[in-house]
Amino acid sequence: EAGVTQFPSHSVIEKGQTVTLRCDPISGHDNLYWYRRVMGKEIKFLLHFVKESKQDESGMPNNRFLAERTGGTYSTLKVQPAELEDSGVYFCASSQVGHFFSYEQYFGPGTRLTVT
Amino acid sequence: KQEVTQIPAALSVPEGENLVLNCSFTDSAIYNLQWFRQDPGKGLTSLLLIQSSQREQTSGRLNASLDKSSGRSTLYIAASQPGDSATYLCAVRGGIKAAGNKLTFGGGTRVLVKP
Repeated sequence: EAGVTQFPSHSVIEKGQTVTLRCDPISGHDNLYWYRRVMGKEIKFLLHFVKESKQDESGMPNNRFLAERTGGTYSTLKVQPAELEDSGVYFCASSQVGHFFSYEQYFGPGTRLTVT
Repeated sequence: KQEVTQIPAALSVPEGENLVLNCSFTDSAIYNLQWFRQDPGKGLTSLLLIQSSQREQTSGRLNASLDKSSGRSTLYIAASQPGDSATYLCAVRGGIKAAGNKLTFGGGTRVLVKP
């Protein structure tokens, strides 16, 4: 079974440009999450999809970030326009949906974003 | 808000020694706790998941305990090997003011096992 995949693995862009990150979750996982780690900080939650619906976007830093999950399969995270402080590693994770207990989250390899 | 702390930030041990990694969290109303391993430049690999109703989980040489009331979890790795060198991350789901499925991460413990 394929794990969570992310594309690209590394992106270098200039301040003010736009970047789109993609995540393909494990097949059959309705929960999809975005997290990020910026330099020297802990990994922080950004948002959570259940199928195509945004369940929780409380971690999105500002309106320069837009996440979508059309059709409830893969997801994209667009940063427009990118700022220097957006540099970091963006992780995607997925899990099954459970009603009475929590399924573990499986993480992708991350996309390293460098804004110059 | 939920805060997760991992101490020490770095640990170096000789091969064969047992590893003890600590994780503490401020809000004990969690749903579960997950331990991850991260190798340099790689993603996170889930090691163990402990539900809030459990006190420990075991997988091979790994054993994780959970004491919700005191807000602590400990990851034990028996008979460490150089291949265990990595960063170990603790993450909790939930808390009174942290509804939903999101995980709150600690800063990690960077482990080096010397041959």
